[in-house]
Amino acid sequence: EAGVTQFPSHSVIEKGQTVTLRCDPISGHDNLYWYRRVMGKEIKFLLHFVKESKQDESGMPNNRFLAERTGGTYSTLKVQPAELEDSGVYFCASSPQGGVYYEQYFGPGTRLTVT
Amino acid sequence: QKEVEQNSGPLSVPEGAIASLNCTYSDRGSQSFFWYRQYSGKSPELIMFIYSNGDKEDGRFTAQLNKASQYVSLLIRDSQPSDSATYLCAVNLANFGNEKLTFGTGTRLTIIP
Repeated sequence: EAGVTQFPSHSVIEKGQTVTLRCDPISGHDNLYWYRRVMGKEIKFLLHFVKESKQDESGMPNNRFLAERTGGTYSTLKVQPAELEDSGVYFCASSPQGGVYYEQYFGPGTRLTVT
Repeated sequence: QKEVEQNSGPLSVPEGAIASLNCTYSDRGSQSFFWYRQYSGKSPELIMFIYSNGDKEDGRFTAQLNKASQYVSLLIRDSQPSDSATYLCAVNLANFGNEKLTFGTGTRLTIIP
């Protein structure tokens, strides 16, 4: 079974540009989460989808971040316009609905560098 | 006060010894507790989870939970060089509609051959 995949693995953009990150969860997983790790800090929650609906977006830092999950499958996270402080590693995780003990499986992350 | 606190390390342990990793959390409503292992540049990998007070053993790993003290730990017996990684403690309120994980900063563990 394929794990959580993320694309791209690394992105370098200039301040003010737009970047779109993609996450493909494990097949059949209704829950999809986005997290971010800024250098030197802990991994922080951004938002949670259940199928195509946003269950919790309390961690989204501001309106420059837009997440979508079309048809309840893959998800995209767009940053527009990017700022220097957006640099970090963006992780996606998924878990099955009604899964045992809320185990979340993480993808390899996208390293975003804003210059 | 951070919601989840871990000693950042690095923690160095001789091969074959017991590695002890500690974590405290601030929210008494926390219900579930997870230990993730992360190798450099890789994704966090779940290795243990615990929900009830006491010990839970899985192979060389033992998770210990004390909700009264708001403390969770991970013991790694017979440490191997392959155990060298960053260990992340995460907690979950496990309330309906609130399944986000809150992480500590992680403890970097090095097993010395």
